[in-house]
Amino acid sequence: ETGVTQSPTHLIKTRGQQVTLRCSSQSGHNTVSWYQQALGQGPQFIFQYYREEENGRGNFPPRFSGLQFPNYSSELNVNALELDDSALYLCASSSARTGGYGSPLHFGNGTRLTVT
Amino acid sequence: QKEVEQNSGPLSVPEGAIASLNCTYSDRGSQSFFWYRQYSGKSPELIMSIYSNGDKEDGRFTAQLNKASQYVSLLIRDSQPSDSATYLCAPYSGGGADGLTFGKGTHLIIQP
Repeated sequence: ETGVTQSPTHLIKTRGQQVTLRCSSQSGHNTVSWYQQALGQGPQFIFQYYREEENGRGNFPPRFSGLQFPNYSSELNVNALELDDSALYLCASSSARTGGYGSPLHFGNGTRLTVT
Repeated sequence: QKEVEQNSGPLSVPEGAIASLNCTYSDRGSQSFFWYRQYSGKSPELIMSIYSNGDKEDGRFTAQLNKASQYVSLLIRDSQPSDSATYLCAPYSGGGADGLTFGKGTHLIIQP
């Protein structure tokens, strides 16, 4: 069984630039969600995709956007990067639409983004 | 706004003792509760899930849930140095729109 894989593992960008992070979900999982984890904090929910549509979103501005592809892989795009966007970005997959009751999240290893 | 409170620690426990990690949550609609372990620089790893009031045991881990008190805890018996990590509590209220709300986590240190 293939787990959740994310790329790249580390990334350094300059303020104002744009970035794309990628995620391949675990085999058999059709729901992908993205979380942002700042240093010393718990992960914060960005959004969730099910069947290629966003079906849930946390308190993040529109410059955070995403895609889910037919093979359930996903991208997170962040435009106009700010210094506060520096964080660990986690992709998680699950086998149910809600990713909740009876269907815990399985996280990838994350992408460490540094904005300078 | 949903809130999840955890003592950030560090919580220092001698090797072989019981580590007790606590979590309170604000959303009374929470149905599912997850405990994740996160080693420094790594991603969270699911260690326990609990859905009903009472205790659930899995090896050295026991999760305890009291929905009336909006309280969930994790006990680690026979603590090992490899248990040293940050433990994240995450209640979920269903619906699909909000994702998991995580606490800031408790940093646990097991002293050899």
